[in-house]
Amino acid sequence: NAGVTQTPKFRILKIGQSMTLQCTQDMNHNYMYWYRQDPGMGLKLIYYSVGAGITDKGEVPNGYNVSRSTTEDFPLRLELAAPSQTSVYFCASSRRAQETQYFGPGTRLLVL
Amino acid sequence: AQTVTQSQPEMSVQEAETVTLSCTYDTSESDYYLFWYKQPPSRQMILVIRQEAYKQQNATENRFSVNFQKAAKSFSLKISDSQLGDAAMYFCAYRSGANSGGSNYKLTFGKGTLLTVNP
Repeated sequence: NAGVTQTPKFRILKIGQSMTLQCTQDMNHNYMYWYRQDPGMGLKLIYYSVGAGITDKGEVPNGYNVSRSTTEDFPLRLELAAPSQTSVYFCASSRRAQETQYFGPGTRLLVL
Repeated sequence: AQTVTQSQPEMSVQEAETVTLSCTYDTSESDYYLFWYKQPPSRQMILVIRQEAYKQQNATENRFSVNFQKAAKSFSLKISDSQLGDAAMYFCAYRSGANSGGSNYKLTFGKGTLLTVNP
């Protein structure tokens, strides 16, 4: 049982490039989330999903897209990377809405 | 909107001593959940403890316990017998108890308290 896994661990992007951050969970959780953590701050919700095929925006969705074709996977897509997207990105999952969210190890992204 | 405030950017404690980290929050809801997460240098977010607002009893997990004061909207974390492995950034987080609506699903985090454990 690996929990929540994320790839890559670290990536450098040039302004205007695109990339997909991968997130997979093996706990059969319905709810999945993407957060970003800027230096010296707590995490902010980007997008979330309540089940396969259902996604919705969080607090800071601009510049990102998500999809959820399976229960296990919840990739985050960055189109036209900007320096403001330099951050650490965390994926999380929970079995139900009210239950504890379990986090992946994070992806550190640097946009130059 | 809910807010979470951690007023101590940094704290330090001697190994084997006890330390308390402060957290206050602002909400108009009566049903909600509170969490403490630990983030060591590896950046992994690790759940330390969880408290349901409807429970009067304070949550405990081994050396970790909370002092939940609902009327004062205060949720402090006490770490007893501190160990070197406790050194980390600690985040207090709030989640609405409502079951639907986008903003209800998110965790609202404080800015964190960096805990140093001195040998």
